[in-house]
Amino acid sequence: AQSVTQLDSQVPVFEEAPVELRCNYSSSVSVYLFWYVQYPNQGLQLLLKYLSGSTLVKGINGFEAEFNKSQTSFHLRKPSVHISDTAEYFCAVSVLNDYKLSFGAGTTVTVRA
Amino acid sequence: DTGVSQDPRHKITKRGQNVTFRCDPISEHNRLYWYRQTLGQGPEFLTYFQNEAQLEKSRLLSDRFSAERPKGSFSTLEIQRTEQGDSAMYLCASSPRTGSGNTIYFGEGSWLTVV
Repeated sequence: AQSVTQLDSQVPVFEEAPVELRCNYSSSVSVYLFWYVQYPNQGLQLLLKYLSGSTLVKGINGFEAEFNKSQTSFHLRKPSVHISDTAEYFCAVSVLNDYKLSFGAGTTVTVRA
Repeated sequence: DTGVSQDPRHKITKRGQNVTFRCDPISEHNRLYWYRQTLGQGPEFLTYFQNEAQLEKSRLLSDRFSAERPKGSFSTLEIQRTEQGDSAMYLCASSPRTGSGNTIYFGEGSWLTVV
């Protein structure tokens, strides 16, 4: 079975500074990887996904992530954050022909002025 | 194109009562999922439908939980004899048959508080 570990539970960051959220996965087969964002009292919104091809994936709101198969990682980055990026971020993994997602515990990003 | 719709958004119930949540997926999405999320945790898979067939259930889905998708469109999740441990957000999601990898689109969630 596949699993996800998000290495940071909380990440405080100043506005306009860069941020990186770390995600490592475990799987014996090829994976699909996802980052979702959850704003307070809301559902999950897809930020970006890696299915195949280029290992650098660009998503919405200026986020990007890089798939590293040798390190089994899928870290999320944004070069300059805004106050509105304050939210919970979840990394998730699935495998071919298994349609459910396995989520990490989440990383809380708090952006301060 | 409307997203996944869930109703009600919030429900407070007394322990021992039954509750039912409804989910309307994105139109033409044949797969529908239910997840549960507790405070400070990531969502956990509960069950999955392909059209009207319930293909997989998690061990988290005790006998008090039942989900249906009778005509392959909307779905309901019923919790009988609620317990305080059932307090959580119940997330519904859907995905199309092909063309998106395993991309799953989530609704806004239904918060359940059992008092």
